[in-house]
Amino acid sequence: QSVLTQPPSASGTPGQRVTISCSGSSSNIGNNDVCWYQQLPGTAPKLLMYRDDQRPSGVPDRFSGSKSGTSASLAISGLRSEDEADYYCAAWDDSLSGVVFGGGTKVTVL
Amino acid sequence: EVQLVQSGAEVKKPGESLRISCKVSGYRFTTYWINWVRQMPGKGLEWVGRIDPSDSYTKYSPSFQGHVSISVDKSISTVYLQWNTLKASDTATYYCARIVVTGTGRFDPWGQGTPVTVSS
Repeated sequence: QSVLTQPPSASGTPGQRVTISCSGSSSNIGNNDVCWYQQLPGTAPKLLMYRDDQRPSGVPDRFSGSKSGTSASLAISGLRSEDEADYYCAAWDDSLSGVVFGGGTKVTVL
Repeated sequence: EVQLVQSGAEVKKPGESLRISCKVSGYRFTTYWINWVRQMPGKGLEWVGRIDPSDSYTKYSPSFQGHVSISVDKSISTVYLQWNTLKASDTATYYCARIVVTGTGRFDPWGQGTPVTVSS
């Protein structure tokens, strides 16, 4: 059971908007930045979003992040076939003094 | 270019010991913490622990405390993850990752992963 809660799956057709939620607590999301990772099949995870809503260079602006209280969201607009991947949220946890992850959301492009 | 290059795939038997490595290049090695993350087959990401290469301070997830150890060799900019007694449940891919800002979950970049198979 992961500390952060994500839906196991999400899907959409090309061009649609898909949103993934990530729910935590006051010791992690409520008090610290949220990051998102994209893991394409057979590859290592890649940083997709940091500090709740900041994109590293090279990440398309179709990806956006937000946070409110102890929950965060990742939105993918203009869904494309190459967005088919697993997406994970992560945050520092003050109680653990370490990093906690969500269980991951598999995005399928129909 | 910042790179984390991990050692190759391993196949071991239960009860054996193992050490896998993560060689860092492209920046001053002692500046950033290095973390290990486990991904069991078909499952999600789990934080194993971290090390501060400047002083070798380590912190482990309670789920892994006492079963693995993380160490560093500053002379060759390499971080290790070690098991003294492997179990079948250790079968997974293990990633090392640099934490960019202390006290965040911002891992960048990641190593390519080391698959570990433990089977009799």
